[in-house]
Amino acid sequence: GQNIDQPTEMTATEGAIVQINCTYQTSGFNGLFWYQQHAGEAPTFLSYNVLDGLEEKGRFSSFLSRSKGYSYLLLKELQMKDSASYLCAGGILTYKYIFGTGTRLKVLA
Amino acid sequence: DVKVTQSSRYLVKRTGEKVFLECVQDMDHENMFWYRQDPGLGLRLIYFSYDVKMKEKGDIPEGYSVSREKKERFSLILESASTNQTSMYLCASSLSENQETQYFGPGTRLLVL
Repeated sequence: GQNIDQPTEMTATEGAIVQINCTYQTSGFNGLFWYQQHAGEAPTFLSYNVLDGLEEKGRFSSFLSRSKGYSYLLLKELQMKDSASYLCAGGILTYKYIFGTGTRLKVLA
Repeated sequence: DVKVTQSSRYLVKRTGEKVFLECVQDMDHENMFWYRQDPGLGLRLIYFSYDVKMKEKGDIPEGYSVSREKKERFSLILESASTNQTSMYLCASSLSENQETQYFGPGTRLLVL
């Protein structure tokens, strides 16, 4: 079947580094997306990994291992505004996307 | 910047009513999607469309229909609203037939009484 798993909730301190993991079991897997969603708002795109390895974008980095069915999102120098849900989504086939349930990150002062 | 707009942010309807949710994107995207988002369940695909007048069922199409008469507009229709359709509805669009980043609208929070 198609499945994406990520932790429900994480807590970290302002200025720290946090890693949000995502594992997937899908067929026809194309790549892995990460979205950020603040409470009551729409998800916004953060990153897309097709090839294995690390993609860095400022304070955010995303990693993919296709052989292990594993990805993570790394957030550095955490800020209060990073408190949000982080959605992991697998792109499968041509049009379809399978979303995880999201990881709610709380950043504490 | 891509802009995806949805007709309402909040909607309250009664059981049995016909409900129309409208979505418009302004970037000439080929693909449009309707999801619902529920706590603990994540985003689940209801329907998507890859061209005008073309539609495909997603994972949970029961109780819903869609219409895409123009490229920029994708409508979700609840033929006879039920309380279990109370949810957050998110519309999204993406550029082309290749796997592309999806851009989401602000969402419509629907309450069915």
